[in-house]
Amino acid sequence: AQKITQTQPGMFVQEKEAVTLDCTYDTSDPSYGLFWYKQPSSGEMIFLIYQGSYDQQNATEGRYSLNFQKARKSANLVISASQLGDSAMYFCAMRESTTGGGNKLTFGTGTQLKVEL
Amino acid sequence: GAGVSQTPSNKVTEKGKYVELRCDPISGHTALYWYRQSLGQGPEFLIYFQGTGAADDSGLPNDRFFAVRPEGSVSTLKIQRTERGDSAVYLCASSPGTQETQYFGPGTRLLVL
Repeated sequence: AQKITQTQPGMFVQEKEAVTLDCTYDTSDPSYGLFWYKQPSSGEMIFLIYQGSYDQQNATEGRYSLNFQKARKSANLVISASQLGDSAMYFCAMRESTTGGGNKLTFGTGTQLKVEL
Repeated sequence: GAGVSQTPSNKVTEKGKYVELRCDPISGHTALYWYRQSLGQGPEFLIYFQGTGAADDSGLPNDRFFAVRPEGSVSTLKIQRTERGDSAVYLCASSPGTQETQYFGPGTRLLVL
């Protein structure tokens, strides 16, 4: 079974600084995908960024980048130039194939990020 | 365009009652997923639909839980004889195809008293 580990229950960062949220994973599947989602206090899960296991380059989306180290089985999220609106819970997730050809997500326990002035 | 919508946003019920939670996916998305998120945890997979059929229901905790998607669009998660342990946020997600990014709705917060 796949497993996602997020070891930082809470993180603080100063506004305009960069922050790294850690994620390690465990899988025996040679083909997999890694996702980061943001969950504000309103509860909705917002997709941020995706990295495929065969992608040669680290994924980037605006201020978000994914530091993918395959040998270490880590997929850390880097947020540059933090903003107050970045304060939220952040979840790392891995795609796992389901019967019937779909893909279900296995989530970590999340990291609560607080951006301070 | 419109995102995934879920109704009701909040539901309070008594132990033993029956509840229905509704999910309206993004138009044109063929894959639909239900997840359950307990307090302080990440979401956990419940069931996946491809079109009208439940392709994988391995995450449903027991036979009190059932979900349908009769016309391949809107889905309803049904919980019979609710228990206090069923209290959680129930999240629905949809994707254009089976291997693509899932987009989530705002969730339904279920509280069983």
